[in-house]
Amino acid sequence: DTGVSQDPRHKITKRGQNVTFRCDPISEHNRLYWYRQTLGQGPEFLTYFQNEAQLEKSRLLSDRFSAERPKGSFSTLEIQRTEQGDSAMYLCASSQFQGTVTFGSGTRLTVV
Amino acid sequence: RKEVEQDPGPFNVPEGATVAFNCTYSNSASQSFFWYRQDCRKEPKLLMSVYSSGNEDGRFTAQLNRASQYISLLIRDSKLSDSATYLCVLTSGGSYIPTFGRGTSLIVHP
Repeated sequence: DTGVSQDPRHKITKRGQNVTFRCDPISEHNRLYWYRQTLGQGPEFLTYFQNEAQLEKSRLLSDRFSAERPKGSFSTLEIQRTEQGDSAMYLCASSQFQGTVTFGSGTRLTVV
Repeated sequence: RKEVEQDPGPFNVPEGATVAFNCTYSNSASQSFFWYRQDCRKEPKLLMSVYSSGNEDGRFTAQLNRASQYISLLIRDSKLSDSATYLCVLTSGGSYIPTFGRGTSLIVHP
């Protein structure tokens, strides 16, 4: 296991299209987080899973965003009807409960 | 008031200098504290945890002041490779979700 993997690394999409990102956490980690980061800002929390249960969602996560973690392994983050304001780096991280988080390399989304 | 506040900098220092960053937080019930380092266009990586008694890792010293609600990071003998953004991170509440500051940019020049 080499860490947290995210796919794709980069995504350019037209406004109004749907996009889906995938995250594979460190296998023994039961927590998985999604964050969004824009230039000059720190990562902003979007949502997290404990095993397969989605336990909390930020107010940043509008109705157009949905995340899943079937079977408590990999996770997907889908954005429907993308807007230019969705352009950002989407970071996935995983941890043991109360452990330090380890991030993936992120998916950089550009909405044109 | 933001939950975690950091001076974005940049802090421009010469090689060999000592530099310190502070980070203030608003929730007195915050439980755990960390410093992460983020290089340009890379993901954040854990630099060190911050313990109540203060802790040191080589040239890096972290301290926590619960009474004044801030944590600090001191870097001694700065290297060019220390140039990065340093993110203050804490957890609070029963869900233990890490909350990040906006980061402090450090530029070490020859």
